[in-house]
Amino acid sequence: AQKITQTQPGMFVQEKEAVTLDCTYDTSDPSYGLFWYKQPSSGEMIFLIYQGSYDQQNATEGRYSLNFQKARKSANLVISASQLGDSAMYFCAMSPSGSARQLTFGSGTQLTVLP
Amino acid sequence: DTGVSQNPRHKITKRGQNVTFRCDPISEHNRLYWYRQTLGQGPEFLTYFQNEAQLEKSRLLSDRFSAERPKGSFSTLEIQRTEQGDSAMYLCASSSGLQNTEAFFGQGTRLTVV
Repeated sequence: AQKITQTQPGMFVQEKEAVTLDCTYDTSDPSYGLFWYKQPSSGEMIFLIYQGSYDQQNATEGRYSLNFQKARKSANLVISASQLGDSAMYFCAMSPSGSARQLTFGSGTQLTVLP
Repeated sequence: DTGVSQNPRHKITKRGQNVTFRCDPISEHNRLYWYRQTLGQGPEFLTYFQNEAQLEKSRLLSDRFSAERPKGSFSTLEIQRTEQGDSAMYLCASSSGLQNTEAFFGQGTRLTVV
């Protein structure tokens, strides 16, 4: 069984500053994939970034980077230069296959960017 | 709009009624997923199709739930004899075989059972 834990129900950040959203995971699978999704108030889940368990480098996508620490089983999302449009719910997720099927999601972190 | 489309966006039904939701994935995507999201929680996996074949089903998918994807294009999710506990957002997502790590989600169907 896989489990994702997001311990920050809500976070605030000043516009243009960086913010880190925490995610820890638990799995017995030797290979897995880690994902971050953004869910604005409109409801759809927007894919942000992916990290494979065997990837040597931390994933980056524009202003998003994933701080992957395998030994600590953590996959924190770092958003640099926050923008007002970043205000949303953020979900960490994982899958046993590294593909997008059978995703297990955490409970989410509500990020609010302050002007 | 070439994204994942879900209909209806909202559905209110009386307990005991049957409901059906439709999902139109991105046209070239052969993989389709259904998830359920209750208030304040992350989505939970329900089922997965590759083309028309339903390859995986969660234990959450009780016998009152059935999903189909005839011809490997759109998909339907039917809930029979709805219960109040079925009230949730039902999300559909699709991905291609080549870029399988990125799933594109629709805006969901919000079901309220009264």
